[in-house]
Amino acid sequence: QSVLTQPPSVSGAPGQRVTISCTGTSSNIGAGYDVHWYQQLPGTVPKLLIYVNTNRPSGVPDRFSGSKSGTSASLAITGLQAEDEADYYCQSYDSSLSGSVFGGGTKLTVL
Amino acid sequence: QLQLQESGPGLVKPSETLSLTCTVSGGSISSRSYYWAWIRQPPGKGLEWTGTTYYSGSTYYNPSLKSRVTISVDTSKSQFSLKLTSVTAADTAVYYCARQAVSANYWYFDLWGRGTLVTVSS
Repeated sequence: QSVLTQPPSVSGAPGQRVTISCTGTSSNIGAGYDVHWYQQLPGTVPKLLIYVNTNRPSGVPDRFSGSKSGTSASLAITGLQAEDEADYYCQSYDSSLSGSVFGGGTKLTVL
Repeated sequence: QLQLQESGPGLVKPSETLSLTCTVSGGSISSRSYYWAWIRQPPGKGLEWTGTTYYSGSTYYNPSLKSRVTISVDTSKSQFSLKLTSVTAADTAVYYCARQAVSANYWYFDLWGRGTLVTVSS
């Protein structure tokens, strides 16, 4: 069981908006540590999608946005496209483990 | 542009030691701005942080693996390495090396190697 909790799957039709939640605890997200998101397209290497809660690396479309509040964070994808179908992982730092923790991953299906 | 490349055996026998090396090219492994990490992903499963090192030799390990894992850095070769002892089938995974950004409030992995599949089997 992962330290950060994500829904196993979400889906949406092209053009729609979907959100993926990431729930932590008082030793990670709730302690103020930042949340980051990765996109893993089928058969490929994970790619940094959002860093430090809300920031997009160069080249990431502004359809992707992140937010954080309390012990949770969310990734929002607007204007859903077929190419967004992938696994998405949240990640943070955990003070009780003194290291990085990942969510279990969410599979996004574009209907 | 900085690149990372994993290398090592793709097949390891149970109870033996898994050894992998990550070669950093196009940039300096001795950068004071970054750390260097190993992350693994069992087939069909999620990501698991294995451990992290700094050019100075400092190391940080996943507590669930701490008794079996050693990460070291060789700045002269621009490489860092992973050793995992007493492996079992549960250690079968794609192993990624990655560059890690660190501050007081965050750790994140901004560049990844292509990954290498290590299978534990007799």
